[in-house]
Parts: sequence; structure tokens; C-alpha cells
Amino acid sequence: GAGVSQSPSNKVTEKGKDVELRCDPISGHTALYWYRQSLGQGLEFLIYFQGNSAPDKSGLPSDRFSAERTGGSVSTLTIQRTQQEDSAVYLCASSSPGIGYGYTFGSGTRLTVV
Amino acid sequence: RKEVEQDPGPFNVPEGATVAFNCTYSNSASQSFFWYRQDCRKEPKLLMSVYSSGNEDGRFTAQLNRASQYISLLIRDSKLSDSATYLCVVNKISNTGNQFYFGTGTSLTVIP
Repeated sequence: GAGVSQSPSNKVTEKGKDVELRCDPISGHTALYWYRQSLGQGLEFLIYFQGNSAPDKSGLPSDRFSAERTGGSVSTLTIQRTQQEDSAVYLCASSSPGIGYGYTFGSGTRLTVV
Repeated sequence: RKEVEQDPGPFNVPEGATVAFNCTYSNSASQSFFWYRQDCRKEPKLLMSVYSSGNEDGRFTAQLNRASQYISLLIRDSKLSDSATYLCVVNKISNTGNQFYFGTGTSLTVIP
């Protein structure tokens, strides 16, 4: 597709349930990033995938969070045993390799844990 | 120290005013610089890249000062539609890859 696609766009889940968020990056973009943004707050870095390299997981807030990227394309962010503080917009972005390219965000998944 | 720091504002300016935002970055090895715009409840979108020589896109002018490690965005003749949060972004390649660092954003409201 022409842009970064995320699904679902909205997700309401009960506390304690697991959720999976999907990101389909722009074709050819080797770098993929996950961020989350709480209402009125800045972007919080979660995880970064670059090609076949080991991902940079330094931003994951707890071991309930994990992500994978299959075949260097689609990525899934999984949150286990969701808590109310996990409620946020989860944004995925992808970029071309190299310097000088900005990156493109998907429209996000709005997660609400009730 | 944060990689990128911005004044969060808010900036409230009348229509037609000129407004400027600054952003500082901590790592002198940073290589690329961008301004993103984020509307309420929307994802950030690339507004413009920032080049050493400075660059202009209509009413928007971006400047980079490598010696002082800051970048700026100037908006002339502000429009109501310019109301948004403006995010400063710095990019560098390290041994962990191509990493982007975001400021927390500067909020702008243009008032009729």
C-alpha cells in the first residue's frame, strides 16, 4: 500500500486480556518503529526493527510487552495481561534505510483497557 | 539529558502573526533533522526536513545551527489551520541502526 497501515484502528479490551496490534509498513522500508502516546503526552519509544538485525527493545515498559517482525515486513505488538495504564494510542512508523529520510506514521491503534 | 528538548508552549498567537519555535539536541553526531506536525488525535506527519543551509516552504522556514545544536521553525502569516503540535525530530545512525529522537512537541494555537 501507499502508507503505513495499522489495525485495528480502535480496540477496547478488558483488563487482564492479551491484545495484538498489527503494523504493515511501506513496501521497501527496512526500519520499523513502535511508539505509544497517551492523551496529551509526547511520543514514547517502544521498539525498533532494522532489517535482520536484533531489535532495539530498550523502550518496552515491561515484560508484558513484546513485538516481532516477520519476514522483514509486517510487525505485531503484543501486550499480555493488559492494565488500564496501557491505554494509549500505539503508533507504528517505517522509514527507508539511510540518513535524510523522515519516517511515515500509521494512523495508530487506540487501545482502551477497561 | 534528553536527546531532544523543546519548549512545550503553549503558544497562542493571533492570525497573521509570525511565530518561531526552537529545539535543541544533545548529540553532535546527529545527522538529519525534521519538523513534524501533529493534529489533535492524529498521527504525526512530516512537515519539512531541515538543511544546514536553511530551507523554506511557503510560509515555513527551517534553520539548523550545528555549532549551537539547535533547529528552528518559523511560521509567517499564521493561519487558523496552523494550530497543531510541532515536533522536532533528530536522526542519527549508530551501531544500533537508524534511530530517531522526538521532542515532546510545541503546541500552537492560532486565534482569530
